[in-house]
Amino acid sequence: KQEVTQIPAALSVPEGENLVLNCSFTDSAIYNLQWFRQDPGKGLTSLLLIQSSQREQTSGRLNASLDKSSGRSTLYIAASQPGDSATYLCAVINQGAQKLVFGQGTRLTINP
Amino acid sequence: NAGVMQNPRHLVRRRGQEARLRCSPMKGHSHVYWYRQLPEEGLKFMVYLQKENIIDESGMPKERFSAEFPKEGPSILRIQQVVRGDSAAYFCASSPVSGRAHEQFFGPGTRLTVL
Repeated sequence: KQEVTQIPAALSVPEGENLVLNCSFTDSAIYNLQWFRQDPGKGLTSLLLIQSSQREQTSGRLNASLDKSSGRSTLYIAASQPGDSATYLCAVINQGAQKLVFGQGTRLTINP
Repeated sequence: NAGVMQNPRHLVRRRGQEARLRCSPMKGHSHVYWYRQLPEEGLKFMVYLQKENIIDESGMPKERFSAEFPKEGPSILRIQQVVRGDSAAYFCASSPVSGRAHEQFFGPGTRLTVL
């Protein structure tokens, strides 16, 4: 059974810092991995999707890496801004499946 | 291109009533997924549907919950005889047949409160 873990559960940093969020999964037979952002009381916004054959994806100040063999992904946020404050969720789809398996999320606070 | 639409955004029901949650996928998407987020818990998969077919319902509670995605119209998640433990945010996602396969796009959710 696939399990996804995100560390830390919460993170608070001053504005302007670079930061890394971590995601690990127990079964390396994944089809892809997706990073989402969720604002309080809102839905999920897809940030980056990495297919199993890829090592990383970049979008603006965000960079996500994937090491499938070790069951790890990181989301790197450069030059953090208060508007980046949100909960960040990592989710995987196993090979042969369609459903996303989510981690518990990292609640990020960027202090002005 | 409008995103995934869900309605209502907020729904209040008394114990024993029925709740019907609607989801319209993005244009061109024929795959629909329902997830539930209980208070202080992560998102959990409930069911995956294609037009007129339930493909995977392994995350659906065995009783009181049902889902459909008819040939015409939105997908419906139906909860009969609601109990307080059903209070949660219910999210719908959709994905296209082709393209970056399996990338799922989420709606804003329906927040169900059972009194």
